[in-house]
Amino acid sequence: KNEVEQSPQNLTAQEGEFITINCSYSVGISALHWLQQHPGGGIVSLFMLSSGKKKHGRLIATINIQEKHSSLHITASHPRDSAVYICAVSLLDTGNQFYFGTGTSLTVIP
Amino acid sequence: GAGVSQSPRYKVTKRGQDVTLRCDPISSHATLYWYQQALGQGPEFLTYFNYEAQPDKSGLPSDRFSAERPEGSISTLTIQRTEQRDSAMYRCASSLEVSGSEQYFGPGTRLTVT
Repeated sequence: KNEVEQSPQNLTAQEGEFITINCSYSVGISALHWLQQHPGGGIVSLFMLSSGKKKHGRLIATINIQEKHSSLHITASHPRDSAVYICAVSLLDTGNQFYFGTGTSLTVIP
Repeated sequence: GAGVSQSPRYKVTKRGQDVTLRCDPISSHATLYWYQQALGQGPEFLTYFNYEAQPDKSGLPSDRFSAERPEGSISTLTIQRTEQRDSAMYRCASSLEVSGSEQYFGPGTRLTVT
């Protein structure tokens, strides 16, 4: 079962680069979430989206409901952005549990 | 509380032993989720509670896994007769309500079955 697909799986960037991580899903959703998993293992919610675009600092998340696609962008990337970024969806009529992508491991090199 | 807490953070057990993991959600949150995360993989849903009710346990991999939330707050996940394939990070999350809410994740319990 792969309700959620992410790409790329691994990404290495130079400090300052603009980064895009993509997420596609195949089912009807109530919301899409972008999560950040730190090297120590903790998971933090970055965005919850059901339409349009959200921005928080250097992070921007967009979603296209018709195309079942979302992107997470990081502007002016920094080594502290190095983490695993996980896309998750909560499906319609399933009690809000998340279905997760396998994550994108991002390394930003100084 | 200030956030979701889980205990223990690390657990090493021998194959065949029973283990119980604990989750203490954010106090105002109605809904609590358990996920299993294998190394290098994204988390996978196990079960969830809405207060003390457990509407969906479809993700529990076998009848060796069970979860409780008797008073609608703290929850435990019990794995009986552990097997090596049960080794994983077990994550708990809570949300304010059952739909349309963000989930807040605990730090996880790293279970190793030897």
